[in-house]
Amino acid sequence: AQKVTQAQTEISVVEKEDVTLDCVYETRDTTYYLFWYKQPPSGELVFLIRRNSFDEQNEISGRYSWNFQKSTSSFNFTITASQVVDSAVYFCALSDHGGATNKLIFGTGTLLAVQP
Amino acid sequence: GAGVSQSPSNKVTEKGKDVELRCDPISGHTALYWYRQSLGQGLEFLIYFQGNSAPDKSGLPSDRFSAERTGGSVSTLTIQRTQQEDSAVYLCASSLRKTPSDSYNEQFFGPGTRLTVL
Repeated sequence: AQKVTQAQTEISVVEKEDVTLDCVYETRDTTYYLFWYKQPPSGELVFLIRRNSFDEQNEISGRYSWNFQKSTSSFNFTITASQVVDSAVYFCALSDHGGATNKLIFGTGTLLAVQP
Repeated sequence: GAGVSQSPSNKVTEKGKDVELRCDPISGHTALYWYRQSLGQGLEFLIYFQGNSAPDKSGLPSDRFSAERTGGSVSTLTIQRTQQEDSAVYLCASSLRKTPSDSYNEQFFGPGTRLTVL
């Protein structure tokens, strides 16, 4: 069965601090995709990144970086020098590859509050 | 360009009433998904459409829930005899996925419909 675990329910940081959101996944598929989505207070899910299971290179996009480690089945997300606008719920998700639906299996989300 | 739109944005109904939630996907997107976000269950998959057919309905929680899609475009999620546990945000997403052998295509989400059952 596929499963995504985000153990951190809520994180509170002060602006300019670095913060890492953890994501651990379970799947029997050899090929799969991992995602991070941001859900600001407005409610709409905003896509941040997709990573193919064959690509373990870490990725950096501005203040955001992602650390994918197949050995520990983790796909962690780090925000450097956090800002108030980063306050949101962040979801990690998993999808199979080549399956019939490519439906997303979401973690329970981590609420990040960045205090000024 | 226009994104995924959903209507209504908010719906308050009384227990036992039927409700219809609408999703307009991005033009040209053949795949359409419904998800539900509730406090107790998080974000969960409900149903997947490829064109007008629904090959995966595995997430529908009960037979009170049904969905259809017409013209390969608009989709309607219907909940009959609503219960308080149906209260949630219902999210629709669409993507360019065309066949099962396609590589992954991004799902774009709509703003959701917040359903409150009194």
